[in-house]
Amino acid sequence: QQQVKQSPQSLIVQKGGISIINCAYENTAFDYFPWYQQFPGKGPALLIAIRPDVSEKKEGRFTISFNKSAKQFSLHIMDSQPGDSATYFCAAREDNFNKFYFGSGTKLNVKP
Amino acid sequence: GAGVSQSPSNKVTEKGKDVELRCDPISGHTALYWYRQSLGQGLEFLIYFQGNSAPDKSGLPSDRFSAERTGGSVSTLTIQRTQQEDSAVYLCASSSDINTEAFFGQGTRLTVV
Repeated sequence: QQQVKQSPQSLIVQKGGISIINCAYENTAFDYFPWYQQFPGKGPALLIAIRPDVSEKKEGRFTISFNKSAKQFSLHIMDSQPGDSATYFCAAREDNFNKFYFGSGTKLNVKP
Repeated sequence: GAGVSQSPSNKVTEKGKDVELRCDPISGHTALYWYRQSLGQGLEFLIYFQGNSAPDKSGLPSDRFSAERTGGSVSTLTIQRTQQEDSAVYLCASSSDINTEAFFGQGTRLTVV
């Protein structure tokens, strides 16, 4: 059973548009929710992360929105650029076990 | 080096042969993960090591797959009698008890011909 469910599987956005990727989880023991960005031929790298005590975190054009009651979180990429084209993974960490669970990934293509 | 190192970066092997993939985690990181990523697909969890605890092997797809972690550091993923469907990128990641970030290596691209 997948602990973190991610959607959509792929996304096409025009340059300047907003990219939105969603994730949902069930385990209330999760205490840390990072997003990873992966370019072709590279390993995933941490992009931005949030803890459940805040509802939103913004870093430049990237924003995480977190809804604790709904057990959902999402990544918003404002003013999307072709250079943002990559695969994005959400994840959740269970503090007691220091173990990460990853979503299935979203392949984002930003059209120029 | 400062990051997670995986070797080899590319491996081509004949169907039926055994292969060993190596991961050198960041020094001091107690947790180590192996994932498999098929072409254009998401991350498939394989195995998780945490300190001296018994590893979580729940993601290993068959008994042809095994992994060990020696001395709480270097890990080796072994695939016996490789099949064409084993072709994928195998990613290793590590994290510490303190730092909440999981760091990934560049991966090993395995091609079974």
